[in-house]
Amino acid sequence: KAGVTQTPRYLIKTRGQQVTLSCSPISGHRSVSWYQQTPGQGLQFLFEYFSETQRNKGNFPGRFSGRQFSNSRSEMNVSTLELGDSALYLCASSLAGANTGELFFGEGSRLTVL
Amino acid sequence: AQKITQTQPGMFVQEKEAVTLDCTYDTSDQSYGLFWYKQPSSGEMIFLIYQGSYDEQNATEGRYSLNFQKARKSANLVISASQLGDSAMYFCAMRENNQGGKLIFGQGTELSVKP
Repeated sequence: KAGVTQTPRYLIKTRGQQVTLSCSPISGHRSVSWYQQTPGQGLQFLFEYFSETQRNKGNFPGRFSGRQFSNSRSEMNVSTLELGDSALYLCASSLAGANTGELFFGEGSRLTVL
Repeated sequence: AQKITQTQPGMFVQEKEAVTLDCTYDTSDQSYGLFWYKQPSSGEMIFLIYQGSYDEQNATEGRYSLNFQKARKSANLVISASQLGDSAMYFCAMRENNQGGKLIFGQGTELSVKP
């Protein structure tokens, strides 16, 4: 069974640009969550999508957005990139339950903003 | 307020010995879940073990066990018979009631296994 797949694995952007990251969850999983990991702030929750609807949202500015498609694949977009957006972006998938089920993560997309 | 606290930034353990990684949490919810993840230098977060707040028995998964002490709000990870491949960052995380995919993570513990 394939795990969570994130693309691209590495990317370099410049300030002011935008970026789109993709996440394909484990087959059958309907929930996709996104996290940002930085050395200073650690792991922080961005948002969660379930059945194409945002179910939960962290405390990030509106430059960070996401969506989920009918096949449960998800994308997140960061517009007007800032140096502080350099981070490892991790995607996690789970079956569905709001209170149950493990979350399985992908390998992450490492974004560098110059 | 810090909701997940991992007080050990770094730890060393001898190969084949057992090691305990500490985690305390803070929540007012009665229903919650506790997770441990391993993150090698490659960056992937590897799921290790899960404990629900209503689970009466401590969770175990192979060499990993979770020492769940509800009254003390602690969820320590025990790794038995450490292996060199266990060297990595370890994160404790909590999901509060009805929060789905939203986990709150601790700052992590870097474990180094010595041959």
